[in-house]
Amino acid sequence: LAKTTQPISMDSYEGQEVNITCSHNNIATNDYITWYQQFPSQGPRFIIQGYKTKVTNEVASLFIPADRKSSTLSLPRVSLSDTAVYYCLVQRDSSYKLIFGSGTRLLVRP
Amino acid sequence: NAGVTQTPKFQVLKTGQSMTLQCAQDMNHEYMSWYRQDPGMGLRLIHYSVGAGITDQGEVPNGYNVSRSTTEDFPLRLLSAAPSQTSVYFCASNLDRTRPNTEAFFGQGTRLTVV
Repeated sequence: LAKTTQPISMDSYEGQEVNITCSHNNIATNDYITWYQQFPSQGPRFIIQGYKTKVTNEVASLFIPADRKSSTLSLPRVSLSDTAVYYCLVQRDSSYKLIFGSGTRLLVRP
Repeated sequence: NAGVTQTPKFQVLKTGQSMTLQCAQDMNHEYMSWYRQDPGMGLRLIHYSVGAGITDQGEVPNGYNVSRSTTEDFPLRLLSAAPSQTSVYFCASNLDRTRPNTEAFFGQGTRLTVV
């Protein structure tokens, strides 16, 4: 599975839009990009998944360029409760194994 | 709908002791897995199962055993606990064959300390 690279940490303020970019240069044709969120002392929680272009749900948007070598998770108007670790994963279509990297620690300040 | 339930939530073991971490899911998911998370790190896959009677090793399987006798349950056994196994353990389930590539659901975790 393709290795992912994302910033170790990011800071933001309440009400701002936060964009977290993930690099996955060796992504394969049948790989999906999936993002999970983890709060302290809790298990990860699925946020969004995409294959190409743009995907939007009630929580976030996921932007994937045509070459699919990177992706950007966009969190609109963050609040203090969005402080968490965000993991970008490349998930093989035929496999259900999840390989986690170190994630991005997002701190939202008042 | 309880989702994924892990017990216990906390456990302290002495070196050499054995124990079983329990995991149960009520979503009829076929795929279940165990991860460990060390402080400040991402999750690492220990063992996984694609269905009852089928298990396989993940990234860090040494020191752990699993079995899958039913779809619902996937216990993780530590045969002889070592301090290096101090970690938070998460169980997850996914794979609903009616919805391919579905999200994984994680339990709340078991915080294990080996002294």
